Amino acid sequence: EIVMTQSPATLSVSPGETATLSCRASQSITSDLAWYQQKPGQAPRLLIYAASTRATGVPARFSGSGSGTDFSLTINSLQSEDVAVYYCQQYHNWPPITFGQGTRLEIK
Amino acid sequence: EVQLVESGGALVQPGRSVRLSCETSGFMFEDSVMHWFRRPPGKGLEWVALIRSKSYGGTRVTEYAASVKGRFIISRDDSKNVAYLQMNFLRADDTAVYYCAWYASGRYFYFDYWGQGTLVTVSS
Repeated sequence: EIVMTQSPATLSVSPGETATLSCRASQSITSDLAWYQQKPGQAPRLLIYAASTRATGVPARFSGSGSGTDFSLTINSLQSEDVAVYYCQQYHNWPPITFGQGTRLEIK
Repeated sequence: EVQLVESGGALVQPGRSVRLSCETSGFMFEDSVMHWFRRPPGKGLEWVALIRSKSYGGTRVTEYAASVKGRFIISRDDSKNVAYLQMNFLRADDTAVYYCAWYASGRYFYFDYWGQGTLVTVSS
């Protein structure tokens, strides 16, 4: 099983600033990584797939990078609506499909 | 328009059973692998199970997370475009919002579309 580890667990960023979230895989997953945003009471929303491709309708403020074992999600010009839990997910080797434990993004 | 709607969530006692449904529309259900996920309260997302399409030629039509294997059964009715999750021998740690999801890529398991979720609470 591929273990996904996200850091930090909680991130507090001021409005207009940049948030950088990290995700590490226990073995190489090439670029088979997705990022999701989940707000309270809502279903997960796909933000990024193939490590760096934005999903349909996702603002350009969101960007993904990385390959192999180390990945990051960057959110520029942080807005209050970006408050959520963010998850990375690998789809390189399954079953099981595995997620990181999540990073909670807060606004300062 | 792709839609997934879960139902069947309930408050159930430990050791009992419940069946969840995922009604779908807007895509070729019979050609799709269907997945269930869950999010326990205060915890992260967890993949639960998948069921391959009828066209799959292998023997492993279904796959399960280790935490539910032997207790949960995923199934599908292609005539109704519905996926099911039969949850048996429920435990307190099965308490979660359960989601079904679909992948528009047709090949890679990242999930563009999710249902709104249905809550299963296991408690005496």
